[in-house]
Amino acid sequence: AQSVTQPDIHITVSEGASLELRCNYSYGATPYLFWYVQSPGQGLQLLLKYFSGDTLVQGIKGFEAEFKRSQSSFNLRKPSVHWSDAAEYFCAVGADASGTYKYIFGTGTRLKVLA
Amino acid sequence: DAGVTQSPTHLIKTRGQHVTLRCSPISGHKSVSWYQQVLGQGPQFIFQYYEKEERGRGNFPDRFSARQFPNYSSELNVNALLLGDSALYLCASSRTPINQETQYFGPGTRLLVL
Repeated sequence: AQSVTQPDIHITVSEGASLELRCNYSYGATPYLFWYVQSPGQGLQLLLKYFSGDTLVQGIKGFEAEFKRSQSSFNLRKPSVHWSDAAEYFCAVGADASGTYKYIFGTGTRLKVLA
Repeated sequence: DAGVTQSPTHLIKTRGQHVTLRCSPISGHKSVSWYQQVLGQGPQFIFQYYEKEERGRGNFPDRFSARQFPNYSSELNVNALLLGDSALYLCASSRTPINQETQYFGPGTRLLVL
């Protein structure tokens, strides 16, 4: 079955520290992978996406993610976290089933940033 | 260009009532999808519409229905509301409903059922 797992429900980092948010997916075909960020009470903003090609993708706000097919992972990274990065982060896989293209989301990782 | 817009932003209903949520896609986008996000969870797929036709439906009861209009805007209707329907309802649009297309999300409608 198609699924996305985000093992960390909560992560706390100090401002200026590096960040890695984990995402593992289960999908039989070539995955289309996404990271979205959601601030409190807001909708989802696209950070970056992977469709094909270079396995290291750059996104907005200084984020990057690396696709590792052998590990079925698509981890999100940022070298230096800012207080404004505090939010909830969702990993998603684009799944095509019976002509319907939908996103399957993980349960999210809530990031807290300490000053 | 304006992003995906949704109305209303917040809504309070009581059990058994009916609700209609509205979504306007990004200009040029012909596909609209609806997602339900319960507190503490990731969004769950409800419906996808393309060119006014339903293209897919998630695992939701028949109390949930939707439609898409000629201008590609969409409505999500929920009948006989239950407490468990309380959630953030997200609309997403894309140019077409194929897997190379990115879906862009609106700010959502927060529904509270009392």
